[in-house]
Amino acid sequence: GAVVSQHPSWVICKSGTSVKIECRSLDFQATTMFWYRQFPKQSLMLMATSNEGSKATYEQGVEKDKFLINHASLTLSTLTVTSAHPEDSSFYICSARVIGSLFGPGTRLTVL
Amino acid sequence: GESVGLHLPTLSVQEGDNSIINCAYSNSASDYFIWYKQESGKGPQFIIDIRSNMDKRQGQRVTVLLNKTVKHLSLQIAATQPGDSAVYFCAENVPQTGANNLFFGTGTRLTVIP
Repeated sequence: GAVVSQHPSWVICKSGTSVKIECRSLDFQATTMFWYRQFPKQSLMLMATSNEGSKATYEQGVEKDKFLINHASLTLSTLTVTSAHPEDSSFYICSARVIGSLFGPGTRLTVL
Repeated sequence: GESVGLHLPTLSVQEGDNSIINCAYSNSASDYFIWYKQESGKGPQFIIDIRSNMDKRQGQRVTVLLNKTVKHLSLQIAATQPGDSAVYFCAENVPQTGANNLFFGTGTRLTVIP
C-alpha cells in the first residue's frame, strides 16, 4: 500500500552544519508534498509545500534560504536545514496528499 | 483556522470506557476535516475524516461528529483500550489558501488507565 518514508529517523549534528532530510512516497507518485515541524508537546506547523519540478511555497515566517526544499522527482522531496542551530532542533514530518494525507514517520533533528 | 498549540490538553479514561475528544476550528470555509493519532516519536496516523456536508461519520470504534454552526468537531472512541493512548489532533482543510493545506489543532493527549 501507499506509504511515506523519511530518512534519517534521527540525526544529531553540530551547530553550523547542514542536514538533509529525505521524504519518499512508496507505491505512489506525489506531485505535492508538505513539510511540517513539530516542537515538543506542540501541534504540527506547516513549513512549506513542495511541488515537483517547481519552487516550493513557504509559509509566512519560514526562511526559504535556511530550509531548502527540492522536489526533483515524483517520489522524492528533500528538506535541507542549512547552518543548523540549536533552535532548529525539532521533529520534521513530511506528508503527501493521498486521501486524507499520508504522513511520514518523522525525523528528529537535534542540533548541539 | 491556523491555530498554534502551546498547551496540550489531557484526557484520562478508564479502559473500556468511551472517550470523547473535542476540537474547535475557526475557519468557516473549511470543507474537510481529519482526525489523527500520533504516538510518541512517530508521524500522525489517519483515523477518520469527514466532509463539511456531513454531520456524522462512523468507523471501527470511532465516530466523528461535526457541528458547523459552532465550528466544533469531536472524536468518540468506544471501549477505549490502552493502545489508544496517544495524542490526537484534528486538522482542517481550508480551500481558500489555494494549496489545500491542512491546519492542525492543538492536540489532546489521551491516557488510558488499565
